[in-house]
Amino acid sequence: GAVVSQHPSWVICKSGTSVKIECRSLDFQATTMFWYRQFPKKSLMLMATSNEGSKATYEQGVEKDKFLINHASLTLSTLTVTSAHPEDSSFYICSATRPGQGALQAKNIQYFGAGTRLSVL
Amino acid sequence: AQKITQTQPGMFVQEKEAVTLDCTYDTSDPSYGLFWYKQPSSGEMIFLIYQGSYDQQNATEGRYSLNFQKARKSANLVISASQLGDSAMYFCAMREVDTGRRALTFGSGTRLQVQP
Repeated sequence: GAVVSQHPSWVICKSGTSVKIECRSLDFQATTMFWYRQFPKKSLMLMATSNEGSKATYEQGVEKDKFLINHASLTLSTLTVTSAHPEDSSFYICSATRPGQGALQAKNIQYFGAGTRLSVL
Repeated sequence: AQKITQTQPGMFVQEKEAVTLDCTYDTSDPSYGLFWYKQPSSGEMIFLIYQGSYDQQNATEGRYSLNFQKARKSANLVISASQLGDSAMYFCAMREVDTGRRALTFGSGTRLQVQP
């Protein structure tokens, strides 16, 4: 079964409104979660790394004030798209690394949520 | 330079046949991990298989195997006995340990279509 839950799976909103997307690790604690964005028929692009109890680390070119990330607990990270515009329409997907996968950091497997399809009218 | 290169935008395979999806990577980090994920039309990313840079043997998971050629920096995914449900996008990804970057870097993906 799913180990990472993402909600909502689909959202339509008007331009100028804000949208919050939740990402939960279901049966493990995740000190770090990741937010990706995917355009149609394209690959996943990392937007930011969400760190529990501290500020998120954003990738170059990603607007911090536009995409607010809050990692308030060890099982929940949220991404808020503020003042959304049509160009923000995309597929957003989160992931978390399940601890204890192995001694080597390289082996830690990232599990993904089901994604959120955002359409801004 | 591209970290992960998948040169096949699309592939067709007949049901029950085997198919190889190509992936090459670029890194100077001696410690790294290579991953393959499947993304059906629903959008969810499903983990398939992992290969570590120090692993001596090629990884296998059921019908999935990884043809790891370290000197060539390639990590091709082999799917045996293809099924209709295998039709999806497949992404190769890498994590480099020494960079401290915990996120994965993804290739551009290969769309596999299994034909009856």
